[in-house]
Amino acid sequence: EAQVTQNPRYLITVTGKKLTVTCSQNMNHEYMSWYRQDPGLGLRQIYYSMNVEVTDKGDVPEGYKVSRKEKRNFPLILESPSPNQTSLYFCASRLDRGRTEQYFGPGTRLTVT
Amino acid sequence: GESVGLHLPTLSVQEGDNSIINCAYSNSASDYFIWYKQESGKGPQFIIDIRSNMDKRQGQRVTVLLNKTVKHLSLQIAATQPGDSAVYFCAENKEQGSYIPTFGRGTSLIVHP
Repeated sequence: EAQVTQNPRYLITVTGKKLTVTCSQNMNHEYMSWYRQDPGLGLRQIYYSMNVEVTDKGDVPEGYKVSRKEKRNFPLILESPSPNQTSLYFCASRLDRGRTEQYFGPGTRLTVT
Repeated sequence: GESVGLHLPTLSVQEGDNSIINCAYSNSASDYFIWYKQESGKGPQFIIDIRSNMDKRQGQRVTVLLNKTVKHLSLQIAATQPGDSAVYFCAENKEQGSYIPTFGRGTSLIVHP
C-alpha cells in the first residue's frame, strides 16, 4: 500500500530533551516536507526537501533540523524542544516539485512540558 | 479524534444536499490552488487542484470554481454524504512557480444523516 508513515504517533517529552520524528514513504517520491498544524494557524511548512541531500527552510524552521540521506526517509529533529513546539506534525511527500498532489502521513502529536 | 482547529467556520448540511465551501486567497500571482480534506485524527488528503488559467474544474462529485477577479475559490460537493464530514481547506502556492503551498485555516463540514 502506497503510504507515508510517521513515528511515533504520540510523544510527550520535556524541555531540552532531543527527539527525532521519523518519516518514511514507499512511493519513490522526490519531494518531501514537514508541516506543523496549530489551532487557528492552519498548516505551516517547517522544512522541505526536493531530493536526496537537498533540503531548504519553509516558513517556520526555527528550532528544527532535517536530513535527507535516503530518498524514502525524511526525519525531523528537535535538538532542544521547547513548549512552543507543542503541536501536531505532518510529513508529506509528492512525486516531484512539479506535482501538486501531496500525500500526508497520519500525524505526530508532540507535547513538550 | 484530533482537533485540527478551534472556532473554524462551520457548514452544516443534510445528507444528499449539495455543499459549497468557500475560500478567499491573498496572492494574486499564485499559479495553482488546491483543496484538501482532513478527517478527524488523520492527515490531510488531496481532493482536487486548479490552475490559475482555469475557471472551473470537475472531479468525482466535486467541482472547484476560481474567480480571480475577487480572489475567491469554492469547492462544491454534490450529493453530500456523511463520509464527507471533515475539515476542508484550500491552499495556494506561496510564490509563482514555487510549488510551496500556503494553507488556509479551513471550514468544518458537518453532514447530518
